[in-house]
Amino acid sequence: GAVVSQHPSRVICKSGTSVKIECRSLDFQATTMFWYRQFPKQSLMLMATSNEGSKATYEQGVEKDKFLINHASLTLSTLTVTSAHPEDSSFYICSAYLQGSNNEQFFGPGTRLTVL
Amino acid sequence: KQEVTQIPAALSVPEGENLVLNCSFTDSAIYNLQWFRQDPGKGLTSLLLIQSSQREQTSGRLNASLDKSSGRSTLYIAASQPGDSATYLCAVLSNFGNEKLTFGTGTRLTIIP
Repeated sequence: GAVVSQHPSRVICKSGTSVKIECRSLDFQATTMFWYRQFPKQSLMLMATSNEGSKATYEQGVEKDKFLINHASLTLSTLTVTSAHPEDSSFYICSAYLQGSNNEQFFGPGTRLTVL
Repeated sequence: KQEVTQIPAALSVPEGENLVLNCSFTDSAIYNLQWFRQDPGKGLTSLLLIQSSQREQTSGRLNASLDKSSGRSTLYIAASQPGDSATYLCAVLSNFGNEKLTFGTGTRLTIIP
């Protein structure tokens, strides 16, 4: 089956630092990946759509300069949280879209970010 | 704009009972609907995916139905077990051509041993 990995699974950082999260499709190529954020006891909220070789498309209310997305290859998308603040603490989940697979998205295991 | 709602928000049932989780969506122009399971602090596990042309999908003790015209889906769990305790999310892929999933609010299920 289609497998998506995320790294790191958990990160703790100081306020003001930047954190990079990687999302990889392990056994398929993904022209489109998605980044979600989930606050405790809430559902997933789409942050942005990451397209290989082009700029990401951000959802309304998501700051593109704060959440930098790079989709440099067909198997890797990265999300960088710049100048992180405690309110950025959240669970970040990526998914990869497999074309021709009944339009199914495959999800990574998530990254728990804690900003002190 | 597609909106997805799940009722109830939380459900507790004794082990062995059958149960139904509900999902409703406002725009019936969908490609598919997917049910996921999420354990605390973990990512999503895909359970069932129903295409818009299908009415139901089954996997083991799970059965998901789809009534696109009324904007509803149900997830039926037979003979519930404590290991079924988790949050269940439904998500709809709308027919807008942008491949975006809209997630429901989730149902937190607790199976009482």
